[in-house]
Amino acid sequence: ETGVTQSPTHLIKTRGQQVTLRCSSQSGHNTVSWYQQALGQGPQFIFQYYREEENGRGNFPPRFSGLQFPNYSSELNVNALELDDSALYLCASGGETGELFFGEGSRLTVL
Amino acid sequence: AQSVTQLDSQVPVFEEAPVELRCNYSSSVSVYLFWYVQYPNQGLQLLLKYLSGSTLVESINGFEAEFNKSQTSFHLRKPSVHISDTAEYFCAVRSGNTGKLIFGQGTTLQVKP
Repeated sequence: ETGVTQSPTHLIKTRGQQVTLRCSSQSGHNTVSWYQQALGQGPQFIFQYYREEENGRGNFPPRFSGLQFPNYSSELNVNALELDDSALYLCASGGETGELFFGEGSRLTVL
Repeated sequence: AQSVTQLDSQVPVFEEAPVELRCNYSSSVSVYLFWYVQYPNQGLQLLLKYLSGSTLVESINGFEAEFNKSQTSFHLRKPSVHISDTAEYFCAVRSGNTGKLIFGQGTTLQVKP
């Protein structure tokens, strides 16, 4: 039990649609990161938020965006969905000790 | 750019046998190293970590990993595996105090009876 919860657990969208994934971090963790894990691959860093501001981004286009709220929750938004966006999306929160704690993920299927 | 290489995509092993999952990383600065485990249809669970101090780190379920700076390796070992250890294992490196983890491609550990 990591204390990081994500919703929804599964969802199906069609190409061109928009999706919002949600995450609730551990209390006291002021950093939240989002990762994309395609089938059979390791997770890829999308971006990180620290105290409600983006402070690091991986190699993902601007249609991937996010928000972090004061209550330790965050969102990942993906616009203009493409087939290759089908993946498991993982949220992770971290504190001062250096490790990240991951949620169970949201599995997105784009048809 | 930093990278992590997990040298084996699949490791089949019989129950109660020892196992080693290999991980090499590339970095010119101090690093934090992690092993995560992922069971089917689940998220990542932290198995063990190296942040500083002793180069040999242990988990509560019998796994251990040794940080070797000269060989830039962080191999995971267990002297005797169980069926329940069957899972995907990911090695990851984090540079400095950024939140970004670089993951390897993963190693599937298949424990056979």
